Amino acid sequence: NAGVMQNPRHLVRRRGQEARLRCSPMKGHSHVYWYRQLPEEGLKFMVYLQKENIIDESGMPKERFSAEFPKEGPSILRIQQVVRGDSAAYFCASSPIISGANVLTFGAGSRLTVL
Amino acid sequence: DQQVKQNSPSLSVQEGRISILNCDYTNSMFDYFLWYKKYPAEGPTFLISISSIKDKNEDGRFTVFLNKSAKHLSLHIVPSQPGDSAVYFCAASERATSGTYKYIFGTGTRLKVLA
Repeated sequence: NAGVMQNPRHLVRRRGQEARLRCSPMKGHSHVYWYRQLPEEGLKFMVYLQKENIIDESGMPKERFSAEFPKEGPSILRIQQVVRGDSAAYFCASSPIISGANVLTFGAGSRLTVL
Repeated sequence: DQQVKQNSPSLSVQEGRISILNCDYTNSMFDYFLWYKKYPAEGPTFLISISSIKDKNEDGRFTVFLNKSAKHLSLHIVPSQPGDSAVYFCAASERATSGTYKYIFGTGTRLKVLA
């Protein structure tokens, strides 16, 4: 019973390139959250998705960042034209469909380094 | 605007003593709170949660207290063990009109338990 799987674990990009981070939720989970942790800072909410639907993207930067969770396959966080300030750890979390609040299960994170 | 605050960035405690980690929030609509522990280079792992209808929840060595009037919660770890050394995040959520939940995290407190 695999947990939340994120890949790649480490990604190095040069300024101006694109970064794609993938997240496969836990089996039976259909909600995915993306968080960003900048060095020495906390976890900042970015986006919350269900399959084929963005529920809340209030934490996403207005430009260059996008997220999707297709009917088939993993959720993808895409960062276009990366800049040094995008260097961070990006964590994905998933939760099941149940009424009421529930616990998020996190992946190990993807560490993006922009040179 | 930081809705969830952990004002102590670090805390050192002797092994066997009590660790108390604090968290304050500003949004009175938050109704579910969680604590996570994070080791370096790993994703956060869930520790314990509390609903706003309770003021205390206990799980083994971990107890969370909620003071709604003060908008304050705390995590007590008794007795503290060296393996508890990690960064601890509190998170809060509220139910949106869509029926979904978004989780806001604090900036974390780094706990060091001294042997």
